[in-house]
Amino acid sequence: DVKVTQSSRYLVKRTGEKVFLECVQDMDHENMFWYRQDPGLGLRLIYFSYDVKMKEKGDIPEGYSVSREKKERFSLILESASTNQTSMYLCASSFLNEQFFGPGTRLTVL
Amino acid sequence: GENVEQHPSTLSVQEGDSAVIKCTYSDSASNYFPWYKQELGKRPQLIIDIRSNVGEKKDQRIAVTLNKTAKHFSLHITETQPEDSAVYFCAASYNTDKLIFGTGTRLQVFP
Repeated sequence: DVKVTQSSRYLVKRTGEKVFLECVQDMDHENMFWYRQDPGLGLRLIYFSYDVKMKEKGDIPEGYSVSREKKERFSLILESASTNQTSMYLCASSFLNEQFFGPGTRLTVL
Repeated sequence: GENVEQHPSTLSVQEGDSAVIKCTYSDSASNYFPWYKQELGKRPQLIIDIRSNVGEKKDQRIAVTLNKTAKHFSLHITETQPEDSAVYFCAASYNTDKLIFGTGTRLQVFP
């Protein structure tokens, strides 16, 4: 059974703080993804990674960066959190086209 | 780039009725079309998918149809049950695990 875990279910941060969201998968998948989910906007891709140390921008990368130092771990970084980054963040890994999602982190930026 | 439009945004049906959700895609090269279901407070999970060499695929009460000429695909749920209540997302991709998702449809099945 594929397991994708995220470091926090709920997170509250202040404007301007640096925020780290961690994602770990245990199935040795090459591909990992970060999405944000907002009502009416669906799942929007922020960044994805096809291999260790490799990353590509998704549709909404502004204000975010990522790090993939190990195959199982993909981190999303908000360099200076802003209120418009309040959202649900979902991580996923994939194999043979199927994406396996983590439980999500609901981030609130005050 | 690829764009996926999904309709309707909300759908309410009586238990036992059928539900249909439609998506259109812009990139004619897209060749893989999955559907994900997200129950309240849970993570999205793949429920069915179809590739461009197939016109229809069924799995018990759910089916997906693909019209490549018109660039649209649909999810059909028959004999709906309250546990079908969820948000459904369509997606499209071309020879990659990177998916472009639709905006989601909130399905409510009333007993």
